[in-house]
Amino acid sequence: GENVEQHPSTLSVQEGDSAVIKCTYSDSASNYFPWYKQELGKGPQLIIDIRSNVGEKKDQRIAVTLNKTAKHFSLHITETQPEDSAVYFCAASITGSNFGNEKLTFGTGTRLTIIP
Amino acid sequence: GAVVSQHPSRVICKSGTSVKIECRSLDFQATTMFWYRQFPKQSLMLMATSNEGSKATYEQGVEKDKFLINHASLTLSTLTVTSAHPEDSSFYICSAPRGAQTQYFGPGTRLLVL
Repeated sequence: GENVEQHPSTLSVQEGDSAVIKCTYSDSASNYFPWYKQELGKGPQLIIDIRSNVGEKKDQRIAVTLNKTAKHFSLHITETQPEDSAVYFCAASITGSNFGNEKLTFGTGTRLTIIP
Repeated sequence: GAVVSQHPSRVICKSGTSVKIECRSLDFQATTMFWYRQFPKQSLMLMATSNEGSKATYEQGVEKDKFLINHASLTLSTLTVTSAHPEDSSFYICSAPRGAQTQYFGPGTRLLVL
């Protein structure tokens, strides 16, 4: 099955600087890659996602890049703010005939701390 | 706003009792919902896939007789932890897909078994 690795496990960044989190996946058939932000005691919140037919997607201070050949994708947060502090998870899934109901395989998470 | 709700948000029970957790999709229908378990400082572990109108599909190593899943309607799935023990204490989270592949998660339920 699919295996998703995520690095680093912890990341501290000065406020205003950029943060980058990287994930690699094993199954070349994976074609959907969401990123989730989880605050303490809460459920994961979808912040951005990318499908395999594009290489980059941006939403204000957040961007995701995808390299299908190398099987890795990255989350980029620019101009970081204290409220960006949380645990971030990457995930991957494969579109199949069960449209919309594919299982997600999660990375191990990155604890991001923004230093004021 | 929230698109998936869970109830209760927190529950404490005695060992040997059963606990039911509800997951609801708000303003959309979900023929499939997913149940996850998360231990402190760890990633989400998929327990089972809840299917409306049919049996749930359990991941390897998850006891189906212990974690009963019922997808009662297109907007409601329930997870019942039967004969709960302290090792079942965890954070349980459900998700539902809305649109093409996009999964939205509930706020989670923290279960503490004494």
